[in-house]
Amino acid sequence: GAVVSQHPSWVICKSGTSVKIECRSLDFQATTMFWYRQFPKQSLMLMATSNEGSKATYEQGVEKDKFLINHASLTLSTLTVTSAHPEDSSFYICSASPPGQGTYNSPLHFGNGTRLTVT
Amino acid sequence: GENVEQHPSTLSVQEGDSAVIKCTYSDSASNYFPWYKQELGKRPQLIIDIRSNVGEKKDQRIAVTLNKTAKHFSLHITETQPEDSAVYFCAASIMGPYAGFQKLVFGTGTRLLVSP
Repeated sequence: GAVVSQHPSWVICKSGTSVKIECRSLDFQATTMFWYRQFPKQSLMLMATSNEGSKATYEQGVEKDKFLINHASLTLSTLTVTSAHPEDSSFYICSASPPGQGTYNSPLHFGNGTRLTVT
Repeated sequence: GENVEQHPSTLSVQEGDSAVIKCTYSDSASNYFPWYKQELGKRPQLIIDIRSNVGEKKDQRIAVTLNKTAKHFSLHITETQPEDSAVYFCAASIMGPYAGFQKLVFGTGTRLLVSP
């Protein structure tokens, strides 16, 4: 159980274009999803917390107008990288936790990730 | 904010040896500490986690210990095998933007290489 699916797994786009990445929880409802970015040989950096039906919360230094997050349903969150530039090339990973675990957080399950290359 | 430090950054061991990776955190409110294994180009996979109400947890060859007073936790892998080679990340929970929900801050990762 607790499967998180992410699409596409890789994408190459030209500088200035926009790219949309989808994250789906397949066997549970996720009121909250998290978007991470990982540069080569580096750690996972949280970009934003996506909450179903409301605005996402962005981490410090992450441009909300550049990284648009939409969480329109309990099983789908999307990240759109707008006007992409080569420095946006990275591995983007979404994650979600099954709900209802009481006081402590549920284990976080990750999608397969999307490798974005901006040329 | 929360800061999670992880050591060592790289660790090379011989097959059959034990491997230990250590992490420290700064936020005393953190109460959930998972460990993830990430193979090249793949998603992080949860291998073990521990909550603040216990000091140690074991799952076959993998164990995690937590010292809340000192704010550090460690991953122990015994009888290492070549397939254990990967990057391992620790993480600590911090309060998220919504009541009752926490988010994770990750350590910098440890590249473990197990030689046959």
